Order: sequence, then structure tokens, then C-alpha cells
Amino acid sequence: TQLLEQSPQFLSIQEGENLTVYCNSSSVFSSLQWYRQEPGEGPVLLVTVVTGGEVKKLKRLTFQFGDARKDSSLHITAAQTGDTGLYLCAGANNQGGKLIFGQGTELSVKP
Amino acid sequence: DTGVSQNPRHKITKRGQNVTFRCDPISEHNRLYWYRQTLGQGPEFLTYFQNEAQLEKSRLLSDRFSAERPKGSFSTLEIQRTEQGDSAMYLCASSLGAPGWDTEAFFGQGTRLTVV
Repeated sequence: TQLLEQSPQFLSIQEGENLTVYCNSSSVFSSLQWYRQEPGEGPVLLVTVVTGGEVKKLKRLTFQFGDARKDSSLHITAAQTGDTGLYLCAGANNQGGKLIFGQGTELSVKP
Repeated sequence: DTGVSQNPRHKITKRGQNVTFRCDPISEHNRLYWYRQTLGQGPEFLTYFQNEAQLEKSRLLSDRFSAERPKGSFSTLEIQRTEQGDSAMYLCASSLGAPGWDTEAFFGQGTRLTVV
């Protein structure tokens, strides 16, 4: 069974601080996706990483895929209150269409 | 196209009743997925369709759960004899092919089920 472990589960920081969220697995994924979800809404895709060692940047967000394609991280620089939400990593493999989600990281950015 | 649409948005039902949810995917998407999400957790895969064929079902999907996608368009998820443990957000997603490096899965806003 493929599992994704996210840490931390909860994170409360002040506006302007930096943070990193981790997503780890013992399994290899063909790609890994990061989503952001707001209360009462479905997840919205932020980025997909495919190649081991890949780094992608989306404004203040930096995503990295581990060399072995088993882990990933999301780094946010100078967090803003608008970054508040549930961040989810999800792995895809070549054996079917489903996504395996981590349990999520609840981020709260206070002014 | 307005994206993936789910109805109803909220459903409160008494234990033992049957409920049915509907998902309308993005029109050209051949794949449709159902996930369940409890508070503070990530979505858990339930089942998915490619066109009208149901290709995979999770062990989470007990005999009380059934999903259909007639004609490969909209899908319904029915839960019979609901239990309090069924209370969750039920999410639908659709994609054109398998989600991966070049394919995005789009999620609906979900149906929040509360069993009392």
C-alpha cells in the first residue's frame, strides 16, 4: 500500500515568516502534485513535479521532488495571510488513475 | 464550462436512510473520480471511471456504496443505510487521462454529508 506522510500536520506562523512542509513516502511515484484547499472547497492544483531532483517555483512557493521520487517539499517565503489553507501532496503512479493523498498540512498565517 | 459540479453541496440525513450524490464532470473529460475526506485529513480514493467503465474500487467502498456513470457523462454515488461514520465530504474530480505530469485532475466543491 502506498502511503504519503506529511509533516507538520499543523503550522501557525506570523506573516513574513518562512516555512517548509514535507511529504515523505517509502514508495516511488511517477509524479507528485501539491494542492491547496480552502474550507468548503475542493483541492486546487498548485504544481506537478515529475523528475527526481526537480525544483519548481511559483512566486513565493518553491517545490522540490526528491532524487529518488519518494519525497517532496514545499517552501513558502515571506508567508502572507492569504496563504492560509490546507496544503496537500498527492502521488500518482503508472498503475492506474488514482491519486494517493497525504493527510495534509493545515497552515495558519497570522497578521 | 464551469468546472466540476457537485450536488447537493450539503446533505443532512438520519442514520439508516439512503442518500445519492451527483457529479457533473468537465464535459470532455473521460475520467471521473470519487474521494472521501474527513475533517483535517487528506482525500481518500473511493473509485474511478474511464468513460462508463468503473475501473477500480477501494476497499473503503463497502457493499453499502455504489457508483455509476451511465453513458460516461455524469456520475452518481449512492450510500445505502447510512451510518454516522459515513459523515464526510465527498469529492468528485475529473481529468482527461490519468493525472500526472501533463494531466490535471479538477475537483468539485464537494458534498458534505452529515449523518445524525
